[in-house]
Amino acid sequence: SQQGEEDPQALSIQEGENATMNCSYKTSINNLQWYRQNSGRGLVHLILIRSNEREKHSGRLRVTLDTSKKSSSLLITASRAADTASYFCATDPNDYKLSFGAGTTVTVRA
Amino acid sequence: ETGVTQSPTHLIKTRGQQVTLRCSSQSGHNTVSWYQQALGQGPQFIFQYYREEENGRGNFPPRFSGLQFPNYSSELNVNALELDDSALYLCASSLAGGNHNEKLFFGSGTQLSVL
Repeated sequence: SQQGEEDPQALSIQEGENATMNCSYKTSINNLQWYRQNSGRGLVHLILIRSNEREKHSGRLRVTLDTSKKSSSLLITASRAADTASYFCATDPNDYKLSFGAGTTVTVRA
Repeated sequence: ETGVTQSPTHLIKTRGQQVTLRCSSQSGHNTVSWYQQALGQGPQFIFQYYREEENGRGNFPPRFSGLQFPNYSSELNVNALELDDSALYLCASSLAGGNHNEKLFFGSGTQLSVL
């Protein structure tokens, strides 16, 4: 079973628009991470937010974390065609196991 | 590029056979985790190795086994292959040391098809 669940499953937007996806998880965490995966490739780490942080920015990415609701959101601003990928949230309910959700597939149309 | 390399990139096997997948960690990383990713799903944790010892295991049967070598490279072995073992197998290295999870550096994966 997966600890995190992303919503929506799929998202299609126009280039230049913002993309927002959400992640809900079940148990308490030390940190939450977001990863990107281009089709059939390995995952690339985007951003890590610790349980005592509420918001974090990295370039065009903004991540929020609400531990009371056990949820996180990833916002990509001013999307580009190169942002087309699947995005996964990952949490660490145990010390050694990073647990991934099923992902949100984002398509950015030119 | 993450510095994590996996081989082979693609592999076709038949049911009942055995397979070995290989992973070279990013330089200086002492922890390797293996994940299985079925089509359209997120990665599922198989196990983790820290300094050559298994340091945690997911919900996978014993026919999934692994090794980590003194240079921190790693192998994933799967015996008695089943059709459902068809998936992308991802290796990830980190400096976590088994204490808590920091970011993982993933290889590009091995796509295994079992016929």
